[in-house]
Amino acid sequence: DAMVIQNPRYQVTQFGKPVTLSCSQTLNHNVMYWYQQKSSQAPKLLFHYYDKDFNNEADTPDNFQSRRPNTSFCFLDIRSPGLGDAAMYLCATSRGGSYSNQPQHFGDGTRLSIL
Amino acid sequence: AQSVTQLDSQVPVFEEAPVELRCNYSSSVSVYLFWYVQYPNQGLQLLLKYLSGSTLVKGINGFEAEFNKSQTSFHLRKPSVHISDTAEYFCAVSPSKAAGNKLTFGGGTRVLVKP
Repeated sequence: DAMVIQNPRYQVTQFGKPVTLSCSQTLNHNVMYWYQQKSSQAPKLLFHYYDKDFNNEADTPDNFQSRRPNTSFCFLDIRSPGLGDAAMYLCATSRGGSYSNQPQHFGDGTRLSIL
Repeated sequence: AQSVTQLDSQVPVFEEAPVELRCNYSSSVSVYLFWYVQYPNQGLQLLLKYLSGSTLVKGINGFEAEFNKSQTSFHLRKPSVHISDTAEYFCAVSPSKAAGNKLTFGGGTRVLVKP
């Protein structure tokens, strides 16, 4: 089945130690998104790639970076994680362009804990 | 800009009873509307979407929603819930004329189905 896969499902890192979360997709969608979701809250968009074009949300901290080496993969890098960055991180994909009515497809998320 | 308000943060309901989850939105442009469900420790799964046409939309798992333009609402309903419907439900909108389909989420409604 075509899908969005996030690895790992659970990640533990130390305060200030860089961490990378990964997302891959077999849907061949041209748009990929990263969301942060804290407990009992709605997902908050951090940034998205429209093809190779990176689009950062205005309130996304500089501590968060992303890379998209090809259509299938996208990475979320947190350079110096703080305790407030503990959350579920969700990756999603969609078809963009003239297909703006297409829904987003989500992975199961990576739950990040900071020690 | 868009905003979404889910009027109930939690909805307890008995098994086999009906449930309605309320969603109101605000937008200066026309939008597409979505309902997503999130089971514990999982990503979001699309329940249904409204793009155009009939205002009553049927989705998966017996859910349906009605778009009301004059009241800017998109309430979700199910006539008879199961224990397995216990989850968090998110209403979301995206601008219909945009090339990308960035979602704005409501705060979520947690449904707890009791036996």
